[in-house]
Amino acid sequence: DAKTTQPPSMDCAEGRAANLPCNHSTISGNEYVYWYRQIHSQGPQYIIHGLKNNETNEMASLIITEDRKSSTLILPHATLRDTAVYYCIVHGSSNTGKLIFGQGTTLQVKP
Amino acid sequence: GAVVSQHPSRVICKSGTSVKIECRSLDFQATTMFWYRQFPKQSLMLMATSNEGSKATYEQGVEKDKFLINHASLTLSTLTVTSAHPEDSSFYICSASEHAGLSGYTFGSGTRLTVV
Repeated sequence: DAKTTQPPSMDCAEGRAANLPCNHSTISGNEYVYWYRQIHSQGPQYIIHGLKNNETNEMASLIITEDRKSSTLILPHATLRDTAVYYCIVHGSSNTGKLIFGQGTTLQVKP
Repeated sequence: GAVVSQHPSRVICKSGTSVKIECRSLDFQATTMFWYRQFPKQSLMLMATSNEGSKATYEQGVEKDKFLINHASLTLSTLTVTSAHPEDSSFYICSASEHAGLSGYTFGSGTRLTVV
């Protein structure tokens, strides 16, 4: 799986949009970009994934650049409960299925 | 949606004893499950891939004789930490996917193991 690079931490004001970047310059054509988050002392939670088109669900939006070398997870109206570690993971269907976690971004939503 | 149940949520055991952690997929079948370990302020580290009906595949550096994995059915995988020592104290998390990971993985709520 391709490696990803994320900033170690970010702050966001409650009610504002949180934009979390991820670089994955070595992504290959059959690999998807997945985002998970982990709230303290819980198991990770799936957020969203995409291949090349932008995606949106009830939790977030995923913007993938045209060259697919980077992406941004957008939480449109961050709440205090969105404080968590956010992991960007590149994962392909042709591999063994293992999900490898990097260090992620710790997002702190402040009142 | 898919639910993965992990039990127990926390356990304290004495050094030298063994501890079993269960991971169940509640509403789907999972031929493959994954076990992770997470130390404080660190990311999740993949320990092994649990395969239904066959031997688990361990990541480099993970002792297979110490961390016994059994995946006897399509909905249950167990991780047994044998002869536990204080350095095995950690947060253990399992995951599974309903569609070979393509629609995302579901994680258990984790097991906090403390070895005293």
